Amino acid sequence: GENVEQHPSTLSVQEGDSAVIKCTYSDSASNYFPWYKQELGKGPQLIIDIRSNVGEKKDQRIAVTLNKTAKHFSLHITETQPEDSAVYFCAASKNNNDMRFGAGTRLTVKP
Amino acid sequence: GAGVSQSPSNKVTEKGKDVELRCDPISGHTALYWYRQSLGQGLEFLIYFQGNSAPDKSGLPSDRFSAERTGGSVSTLTIQRTQQEDSAVYLCASSLTTTGRTEAFFGQGTRLTVV
Repeated sequence: GENVEQHPSTLSVQEGDSAVIKCTYSDSASNYFPWYKQELGKGPQLIIDIRSNVGEKKDQRIAVTLNKTAKHFSLHITETQPEDSAVYFCAASKNNNDMRFGAGTRLTVKP
Repeated sequence: GAGVSQSPSNKVTEKGKDVELRCDPISGHTALYWYRQSLGQGLEFLIYFQGNSAPDKSGLPSDRFSAERTGGSVSTLTIQRTQQEDSAVYLCASSLTTTGRTEAFFGQGTRLTVV
């Protein structure tokens, strides 16, 4: 089955700096790559996703990039704010089925 | 409600007892997942249901864990003879697996504490 690895496990940045979280996947047939944000005491919520037919997608301060050849994808957060502090999970799935998650990255944005 | 509902929200049980955790997915969602999240850890895949297909049970950690999904809707995760290492938050998610948006919606989770 699909195996998703995520790095780093923890990330601390100063407010206003950028944060980058990277994931790799094992199944070359995977074609859907969402990112979830989990705030304390809540379930994860989707923040952005990308499909294998595009290499990059942006939504305000958040962007995702996908390298299908290398089988890795990344989340970029620019101009970080304290409210960005959370645990972020990447995931990969094939034909919208059987979604597998990375181990998560705990992002701390210091004011 | 429009979201994924899990019950109970908190469960404290004695070691050796059986527990049942319930998940009500979003109506019409064909895919349902169970994950386990230990304190400060990532999402550990447990089991995946997709429509009428046989579930993917490859993530269940031992034969004490089982899950079923009746009528393609509500799911229950059962843990028999609970152990202290079973203490975690158990998260359920559902999604509509079509060629369109396939966001997985998570419930708030059930926090299980085995004492």
